[in-house]
Amino acid sequence: GQSLEQPSEVTAVEGAIVQINCTYQTSGFYGLSWYQQHDGGAPTFLSYNALDGLEETGRFSSFLSRSDSYGYLLLQELQMKDSASYFCAPEAMDSNYQLIWGAGTKLIIKP
Amino acid sequence: DAGVIQSPRHEVTEMGQEVTLRCKLISGHNSLFWYRQTMMRGLELLIYFNNNVPIDDSGMPEDRFSAKMPNASFSTLKIQPSEPRDSAVYFCASSFSPPGGGGVDTQYFGPGTRLTVL
Repeated sequence: GQSLEQPSEVTAVEGAIVQINCTYQTSGFYGLSWYQQHDGGAPTFLSYNALDGLEETGRFSSFLSRSDSYGYLLLQELQMKDSASYFCAPEAMDSNYQLIWGAGTKLIIKP
Repeated sequence: DAGVIQSPRHEVTEMGQEVTLRCKLISGHNSLFWYRQTMMRGLELLIYFNNNVPIDDSGMPEDRFSAKMPNASFSTLKIQPSEPRDSAVYFCASSFSPPGGGGVDTQYFGPGTRLTVL
């Protein structure tokens, strides 16, 4: 069956670095996407990993280890506007190659 | 591009009434997804279309829900009759899926319709 785990909430300080972990269990894993959603807003795409390793996009980086069924999103130089929910969403054969959505991680940033 | 457009943005209706939510895809996109989001259940995929054809509707809660794509750029999600438990934010998202597939297709979400059924 499928499973997806992320911490429900993470708190960090403005200017710091935070890592949001994601573990998943799927059949026929294809890739892992990350989306950001601000309160009252819509999910927006952040990054995608199909291969092992780190993908960097500005202050945000995403990592994938296919053998460990594990990924993380790294946010650097945190800003107050980064306060949002972050979703890891694996894509797999057993989800008909559609994204699997979990409950997400609420990131709270304190000044 | 204007992005994915949804209407209405807010809908308040009474139990038993018919509700129609509308979505306009980003020009050139060929896949359309309807999602529902609540605090209790998170983000749920209801149905998705590729090239106007429904591919997977296993997430549609029950026969009260129906979705259509009358043309390549427009979709509707209808709830008839509506019930209080249908209260949620409904998102549509579109993406471009190249022929033959391969790789994830970034989904672009609309602003959502907040539905309240009294």
